[in-house]
Amino acid sequence: QVQLQQSGTELVKPASSVKISCKASGYTFTSNYMHWIRQQPGNGLEWIGWIYPGNGNTKYNQKFDGKATLTADKSSSTAYMQLSSLTSEDSAVYFCARSRGFRGPWFAYWGQGTLVTVSS
Amino acid sequence: DIRMTQSPASLSASLGETVNIECLASEDIYSDLAWYQQKPGKSPQLLIYNANSLQNGVPSRFSGSGSGTQYSLKINSLQSEDVATYFCQQYNNYPYTFGAGTKLELK
Repeated sequence: QVQLQQSGTELVKPASSVKISCKASGYTFTSNYMHWIRQQPGNGLEWIGWIYPGNGNTKYNQKFDGKATLTADKSSSTAYMQLSSLTSEDSAVYFCARSRGFRGPWFAYWGQGTLVTVSS
Repeated sequence: DIRMTQSPASLSASLGETVNIECLASEDIYSDLAWYQQKPGKSPQLLIYNANSLQNGVPSRFSGSGSGTQYSLKINSLQSEDVATYFCQQYNNYPYTFGAGTKLELK
């Protein structure tokens, strides 16, 4: 069965960076899209972007250009998101979610979420 | 960006009641719409895609409808396990955008 296992809670300092991971299993990692979505405390959901692990192509929400960098390691079926120049505004739960691209752009599978807290 | 306006923001209903949640897109999204259910501390779960297609394993009391800019999620015969926040999401255009959510509680 499809599973997306995310890395654990992060407490990081302002102006630093953090890299969170999403390990995929139960499907062909390189033939599907991995998306990242942010949920700030008490707020709704914001789409950050996707990566296609098969060729490394990415697409970002302009709002997160320069903030988020998406990468993927085919050998371990793991997707990563690095967040840089962190401020308190970046404190949120971050989810990875799989889509099938044009065959199914909706998010049928989600990771459990990674809480990132930015605090000095 | 396409703005997704959900209503109501919160809703209180009784067990067995029928509930409707609306989602209005700022432009035509050609039925490229999904609905998700999120319970506290959990990740969202897909209920409906392509505006009216029921995801595998989702109870048939959930249904979606709409076209153009107006969409709705209907829950028939409300159950206690349906207490959650519901989000709509468009995938017609980048960036993908979500509604602000509808919090459903039991009366």
